Amino acid sequence: DTGVSQNPRHKITKRGQNVTFRCDPISEHNRLYWYRQTLGQGPEFLTYFQNEAQLEKSRLLSDRFSAERPKGSFSTLEIQRTEQGDSAMYLCASSLVGTGYGYTFGSGTRLTVV
Amino acid sequence: GESVGLHLPTLSVQEGDNSIINCAYSNSASDYFIWYKQESGKGPQFIIDIRSNMDKRQGQRVTVLLNKTVKHLSLQIAATQPGDSAVYFCADYTGANSKLTFGKGITLSVRP
Repeated sequence: DTGVSQNPRHKITKRGQNVTFRCDPISEHNRLYWYRQTLGQGPEFLTYFQNEAQLEKSRLLSDRFSAERPKGSFSTLEIQRTEQGDSAMYLCASSLVGTGYGYTFGSGTRLTVV
Repeated sequence: GESVGLHLPTLSVQEGDNSIINCAYSNSASDYFIWYKQESGKGPQFIIDIRSNMDKRQGQRVTVLLNKTVKHLSLQIAATQPGDSAVYFCADYTGANSKLTFGKGITLSVRP
């Protein structure tokens, strides 16, 4: 296992298009988190899963955003009708319940909406 | 809401000198305080953490100090190297809500 993997690394899309990102967590980790990071800022929490259950969503996650983790392994984050304000780095992290916060972050997907 | 913030946006140090990066936090209920390093094009990388019931923890070339009285966290890097150049974030974690809350980044630049 080589850590948390995110694909694609970069995505350029036109405003109004839909995009989907994928995160593959560390295999034994049962928690998976999505964060968004804009330039010069720290990552901001979007949502997290424990196994396949989505336990919390931030107010930052508008109706255009949806995340899934159907089998409790990989997760997808979809943004519909993208806007220029959606341009950011989308980070995924995973952890194992009972080990404290123990986050491991992926390298992120850089989204640019033109 | 609760926040974690850094005092200065940039820090430039001479190679071999010690670096000190400071951070203020507001959430007294945090269980852990963590320092992350982020290089360009990469996700945050864990450096060191400290539980809320401790005031000092040392790692390899790094030390984290926690002052709960003034809600202040610092990261000390000994003998700073060019490879330490990156953006550094402090963050806090509360087990009750299972989330990390990050402050704004500070850029550490190491002069050769």
